[in-house]
Amino acid sequence: DQQVKQNSPSLSVQEGRISILNCDYTNSMFDYFLWYKKYPAEGPTFLISISSIKDKNEDGRFTVFLNKSAKHLSLHIVPSQPGDSAVYFCAARAQDNQAGTALIFGKGTTLSVSS
Amino acid sequence: ETGVTQTPRHLVMGMTNKKSLKCEQHLGHNAMYWYKQSAKKPLELMFVYNFKEQTENNSVPSRFSPECPNSSHLFLHLHTLQPEDSALYLCASSPSGAGVNIQYFGAGTRLSVL
Repeated sequence: DQQVKQNSPSLSVQEGRISILNCDYTNSMFDYFLWYKKYPAEGPTFLISISSIKDKNEDGRFTVFLNKSAKHLSLHIVPSQPGDSAVYFCAARAQDNQAGTALIFGKGTTLSVSS
Repeated sequence: ETGVTQTPRHLVMGMTNKKSLKCEQHLGHNAMYWYKQSAKKPLELMFVYNFKEQTENNSVPSRFSPECPNSSHLFLHLHTLQPEDSALYLCASSPSGAGVNIQYFGAGTRLSVL
């Protein structure tokens, strides 16, 4: 059973508008959540993270919101740019993971930003 | 350039071949990881090494054999693979210890097993 779920395989947005990517999780032991972006023929690159003790983290055009009671997080990109078109992965780290830093990933959401 | 280099970028092998994937990181990290990404599935953790010691083997078949000779290099030795092992294999590295310990990924090796 998937512990990290990205239920929308794709999202299309116009340039300048807001992109909202969603992620749900089931394991209440996750202590950090991360978003990665992946372009074709490249590995995932880190975008932004949030600790489970926070409810918001902002970095430039990117903001991640965490709702622990709903076990839900979202990534907001404002304003969206054509260069943001990529696959976005939500990932979580379990606090009790013996390996310490292994991440559990969702399946990803493909974002397309049109100009 | 993420500081994590994987070679080769593409590999085609038969089911009876033996090949190795290589990963090298120049970030001074102490943890290294192998992930597998199959079509329409999430990235699956395969192995974790911390300070050259394997700390996790995520129920990976023995036809995949990892090796970590030092904190900068990680190998994945492959033999008698099956066609369903065709996938993108990603290597990552991160610091160890407390904190979020962001993982940095290589570009991956696209493996095709015939």
